[in-house]
Amino acid sequence: EVQLVESGGGLVQPGGCLRLSCAASGFTFSSYWMHWVRQDPGKGLVWVSRINSDGNITTYADSVKGRFTISRDNAKNTLFLQMNSLRAEDTAVYYCAREGQVGGRYFDYWGQGTLVTVSS
Amino acid sequence: DIQMTQSPSSLSASLGDRVTITCRASQSITNYLNWYQQKPGKAPKLLIYAASSLQSGVPSKFSGSGSGTDFTLTISSLQPEDFATYYCQQSYSTPRTFGQGTKLEI
Repeated sequence: EVQLVESGGGLVQPGGCLRLSCAASGFTFSSYWMHWVRQDPGKGLVWVSRINSDGNITTYADSVKGRFTISRDNAKNTLFLQMNSLRAEDTAVYYCAREGQVGGRYFDYWGQGTLVTVSS
Repeated sequence: DIQMTQSPSSLSASLGDRVTITCRASQSITNYLNWYQQKPGKAPKLLIYAASSLQSGVPSKFSGSGSGTDFTLTISSLQPEDFATYYCQQSYSTPRTFGQGTKLEI
């Protein structure tokens, strides 16, 4: 069974940093592109970042470019999101998602989400 | 960036109804269009990918159509578990933008 489990969320002050993790199981993690998507409380879904299967290609939303870093450890089946210089507007539930690739490009599995709150 | 616009933003329907949600892209995305269902407090769930392909395990009451810039999600014979928020998403280019969501209410 495919499982994605996020951790690392919490309350942080503006300007602070946080590192999110996403532990993957039930599939060959090293074969899949992975993404982070966030959702402001009560709002819609916003794509944040992606990383290719090898970890050498990364892409970011303009709103987080230069502040967030996506990475992965294929030996440990874990995806990361290092978040620096956090702002109030980064407050959201952060989901990791696997990109399915058969017949298209889509997020076929999602984690349960981890809440990040940026507030003084 | 490609903008995705869903309509309506909210929709009231009754059990047994058939409803259609529309998603429009700001430029052609061929068939790189996905639909997700999200219930309160839960992660989104993939329903339809590549505009019209039903994800494994998803009931056939859900169907998608369209290409280019205009797409639709149709849900037939509404049941209580179908009342949720639905999002379209383009996967033609990065950033992988989502529509603003359509809340389907009883």
